[in-house]
Amino acid sequence: DSGVTQTPKHLITATGQRVTLRCSPRSGDLSVYWYQQSLDQGLQFLIQYYNGEERAKGNILERFSAQQFPDLHSELNLSSLELGDSALYFCASSVGGGNAYNEQFFGPGTRLTVL
Amino acid sequence: GENVEQHPSTLSVQEGDSAVIKCTYSDSASNYFPWYKQELGKRPQLIIDIRSNVGEKKDQRIAVTLNKTAKHFSLHITETQPEDSAVYFCAAVGSNYKLTFGKGTLLTVNP
Repeated sequence: DSGVTQTPKHLITATGQRVTLRCSPRSGDLSVYWYQQSLDQGLQFLIQYYNGEERAKGNILERFSAQQFPDLHSELNLSSLELGDSALYFCASSVGGGNAYNEQFFGPGTRLTVL
Repeated sequence: GENVEQHPSTLSVQEGDSAVIKCTYSDSASNYFPWYKQELGKRPQLIIDIRSNVGEKKDQRIAVTLNKTAKHFSLHITETQPEDSAVYFCAAVGSNYKLTFGKGTLLTVNP
């Protein structure tokens, strides 16, 4: 157990819908990272938040957005869902995040299925 | 940005044999190279890492080597066991401190 929690574990929804994935980082970690894992694209970095502020952006679609709250938990919002958005979404956390690399600890993931 | 290539995509070995997975990276400023193991349906877990000021690191049956000049690094697993079967990802941390993953290698260890 990494100490990072994600809910829900599984999510099944229809095309065009909107969903919210939730992540709670390890105690003391200030950074949260979101990754998308699909069969053909591997693990793709989406976005990073550090202490409530967006720190880095990766291959995140405009239909997707995220935020980090004062209690440091983070939510990833996916809207206008398409079949291709079906994937495993991982959250990771680290102590720092920006001036140096700190080990990232991954949560158990949320499996999203879009029908 | 950083680009990480990983080979092979699948690898099948007999129990007790060695397995080698190779990765190349593009950002010459990259200085940290972790390897993750991911079992089916589970989260990626760090198994070993190496920093750019070290050429080789070993932890029991696993070792990682780094060639900064050629910009490639490799994972070596000796005396493989069925429980080593998983997907292995290499990654590199570039000058932007972001983690960029390779596409993964599915390792199957046959008893």
